[in-house]
Amino acid sequence: DQQVKQNSPSLSVQEGRISILNCDYTNSMFDYFLWYKKYPAEGPTFLISISSIKDKNEDGRFTVFLNKSAKHLSLHIVPSQPGDSAVYFCAASGGGGSQGNLIFGKGTKLSVKP
Amino acid sequence: EAGVTQSPTHLIKTRGQQATLRCSPISGHTSVYWYQQALGLGLQFLLWYDEGEERNRGNFPPRFSGRQFPNYSSELNVNALELEDSALYLCASSLGGWGWEANNQPQHFGDGTRLSIL
Repeated sequence: DQQVKQNSPSLSVQEGRISILNCDYTNSMFDYFLWYKKYPAEGPTFLISISSIKDKNEDGRFTVFLNKSAKHLSLHIVPSQPGDSAVYFCAASGGGGSQGNLIFGKGTKLSVKP
Repeated sequence: EAGVTQSPTHLIKTRGQQATLRCSPISGHTSVYWYQQALGLGLQFLLWYDEGEERNRGNFPPRFSGRQFPNYSSELNVNALELEDSALYLCASSLGGWGWEANNQPQHFGDGTRLSIL
C-alpha cells in the first residue's frame, strides 16, 4: 500500500506559466512533508518542506500548500522555467515506524516548454 | 560546502558476492540514511544511522547491513547478492537528532551508487 501517492506521472507546462504538482498521503501521523527535484543521473535535490503546523511555505518561485483535512499537498512553481524540467518527488515522514526516514511518492515528470 | 559523496559510482558484482558502498555526509551532519531505488519502484528506505548507532531499519532482509564511523561516514554492506538487488543506492545526510527534531529537517542526497548484479 502506497502511503504517499503522486497520481500524475507527467505534466507539461508552458514557460512562464504556473506548474502545480500534487501529492496525496494516507497516514495521518505524517507531520513533515518535502519536495525534491531529480535530474537524470543525479540524486534528488531538496527543494522545499513544510511542517504539519503550517499550511503554506514559500521559497522564491516555489510554494508548498498543505491541506491536512484532505491529506493533500501541492507544489506551485511560478513562473515555470525550462530548467525546472525534471522529476519531482513528494516525501513525508513522522508516521509510526517511520521516524527518521522518508516515504516517497513515485514522482511526476515536469516538462516546461519554451 | 561539499555535498554528500558516494563511492563507487558504479559497481558490478555476481550473484552470491558481497558489495560494500560508501558514503560521506555533509560536514556537520550526524545522520546518514540509505535508500534503494530499484527499476520501476520508488525510493525505499533501508537504514538510518545517527551518532554511530542504527536508529531505524526498513523492510529489508538482514543481509543488508551497515555501519557509521566516528567521522560520521557510513558503509552499506549487502551480502549474498541476488539479481533483484540490482538498483541505485542513495545515501542522504541530515543534521540528526531524535523525535520531532529528526523528522523535521531535510535530508540531502548524494548521486548514488549503481549496483548491477550479473
